[in-house]
Amino acid sequence: GIQVEQSPPDLILQEGANSTLRCNFSDSVNNLQWFHQNPWGQLINLFYIPSGTKQNGRLSATTVATERYSLLYISSSQTTDSGVYFCAVMNSGGSNYKLTFGKGTLLTVNP
Amino acid sequence: DTGVSQNPRHKITKRGQNVTFRCDPISEHNRLYWYRQTLGQGPEFLTYFQNEAQLEKSRLLSDRFSAERPKGSFSTLEIQRTEQGDSAMYLCASSFDWDRGGYTFGSGTRLTVV
Repeated sequence: GIQVEQSPPDLILQEGANSTLRCNFSDSVNNLQWFHQNPWGQLINLFYIPSGTKQNGRLSATTVATERYSLLYISSSQTTDSGVYFCAVMNSGGSNYKLTFGKGTLLTVNP
Repeated sequence: DTGVSQNPRHKITKRGQNVTFRCDPISEHNRLYWYRQTLGQGPEFLTYFQNEAQLEKSRLLSDRFSAERPKGSFSTLEIQRTEQGDSAMYLCASSFDWDRGGYTFGSGTRLTVV
């Protein structure tokens, strides 16, 4: 099946810093989503971004499907940004419903 | 739209007991999914419903697991004869078709088998 690798696995920032999270995938995709899992376990959908660039406030994401990677940018980080960020993809050569998740990036933002 | 609702939030059960979880998806969504997440890992696919039809069941689901979605509305996930290895967070999500946006997850049910 498709492989999803996220980097870095852990990231510690001071409040106000910027960061870039990366997601590499091993095959072509037709669906890519970024999620934030808060300390209580709730998965929040940040972006549906199979290609191109999107922005939502301090967050933005870019997917370059032809090169099989996606980036999530967090600017002016806040303590509430802490948690695990997951990238999840749907293989365009496979089923059109099964999302495969990476292992996530654990982000800690200190005050 | 109140989001995806899961009940209960937490369940502690003794090994060998049966448990049932419920998921109420976003009413406009026609797709419903169950995922399982263990500590330090990303969610793993368990099963998928298109309306009331269960279209795939992962190999992760042994015969002790069964899921239903009567009338294409809410869904239940039952685990019979629970084992300690079943301890995990069980997540439900719903969506439109694959090319119409992202998934919305519920808060999950955390199962602990003692």
